[in-house]
Amino acid sequence: AQSVTQLDSQVPVFEEAPVELRCNYSSSVSVYLFWYVQYPNQGLQLLLKYLSGSTLVESINGFEAEFNKSQTSFHLRKPSVHISDTAEYFCAVTRRGNTDKLIFGTGTRLQVFP
Amino acid sequence: GAGVSQSPSNKVTEKGKDVELRCDPISGHTALYWYRQRLGQGLEFLIYFQGNSAPDKSGLPSDRFSAERTGESVSTLTIQRTQQEDSAVYLCASSLSPVQPQHFGDGTRLSIL
Repeated sequence: AQSVTQLDSQVPVFEEAPVELRCNYSSSVSVYLFWYVQYPNQGLQLLLKYLSGSTLVESINGFEAEFNKSQTSFHLRKPSVHISDTAEYFCAVTRRGNTDKLIFGTGTRLQVFP
Repeated sequence: GAGVSQSPSNKVTEKGKDVELRCDPISGHTALYWYRQRLGQGLEFLIYFQGNSAPDKSGLPSDRFSAERTGESVSTLTIQRTQQEDSAVYLCASSLSPVQPQHFGDGTRLSIL
């Protein structure tokens, strides 16, 4: 079975500062990894995903995440955050090749202050 | 655009009543998932439908919970004899296939008085 740990429940940061949201997973098999974002009063949206190939994946709004197999991590980073990045971020994992249910972390609330 | 649609968006009901939540997936998406999100917690998998295969019900918390899906279209999640601990946002997601990322609806916020 897979599991996901998001160590930080809340991350406060000032605008234009860099940020890293941590995600570690546990699995005995190869996995797919995802980051979803939930803006206030909205549903979840896919932010980025790692399926195969390059271990560094990027989103269209400046976020990136790197799959590190040896450390079983998939941390999310952004070099300079905006107020509009304030949201809940969920890391998720599923078994490679037979994606069924996503296993989600408990989420990290990113609060960006002016 | 035609995203995943859930109804109602909010539901308030008394303890002990039955509730039915509806999910309209994106057209053509064969996979459909239900999740529960309690206040301040992560998403909890409930049930997964894939085509005509038997659903994966491994996440349903009790026999008060059930779900149905008609073909590859609408799904309903039913909670019987609701309890206060059932209060949560219930999210539905669909995907083109099991290996494709999931698209989420805005959820139904269920409040049990």
